[in-house]
Amino acid sequence: KAGVTQTPRYLIKTRGQQVTLSCSPISGHRSVSWYQQTPGQGLQFLFEYFSETQRNKGNFPGRFSGRQFSNSRSEMNVSTLELGDSALYLCASSPGIPTYEQYFGPGTRLTVT
Amino acid sequence: ELKVEQNPLFLSMQEGKNYTIYCNYSTTSDRLYWYRQDPGKSLESLFVLLSNGAVKQEGRLMASLDTKARLSTLHITAAVHDLSATYFCAVDRYGATNKLIFGTGTLLAVQP
Repeated sequence: KAGVTQTPRYLIKTRGQQVTLSCSPISGHRSVSWYQQTPGQGLQFLFEYFSETQRNKGNFPGRFSGRQFSNSRSEMNVSTLELGDSALYLCASSPGIPTYEQYFGPGTRLTVT
Repeated sequence: ELKVEQNPLFLSMQEGKNYTIYCNYSTTSDRLYWYRQDPGKSLESLFVLLSNGAVKQEGRLMASLDTKARLSTLHITAAVHDLSATYFCAVDRYGATNKLIFGTGTLLAVQP
């Protein structure tokens, strides 16, 4: 069974640009969550999508958005990038119901210059 | 607001020794998770603890949960170098399932 995949794995962008990250969950999983990991703030929850609907949302500005497609693949978008957006972005896949465990992808390392 | 604290933040220990990592959380929570992260890598699930008194063991690691004290522990027995990593605990709640709130992490360095 294939694991969670994220693309791209590494990305370098300039301040003010926007970026889209992609996550393909484990086959059959309907929930995808996104997390940001930085040395200063640690691991922070961004949002969760379940069956194409945002089910939970963290405390991030509106520049951070996401969506989920009918095949459960998810994308997150960050507009008007800031230096502080440099981070490892992790997505996690979960069956949805019941949801006792999340399986994390390898992450996308975003560097904003 | 649900907060999760771990201590210690950094733990240097010798091979063969035992030690415990502590995870405290601020409000009632429903599930407690432990993850491991190797440098530059993603998170690997270690344990999911679902109820008060739950205890799970895998190899040299044992996790327990005391919901009344809002405390989970990760006990390391006879540490080996391969256990060197950062360990995170996390909690979520019914109604906010899959919204994990993570602790600060404990960097474990096992010295030969």
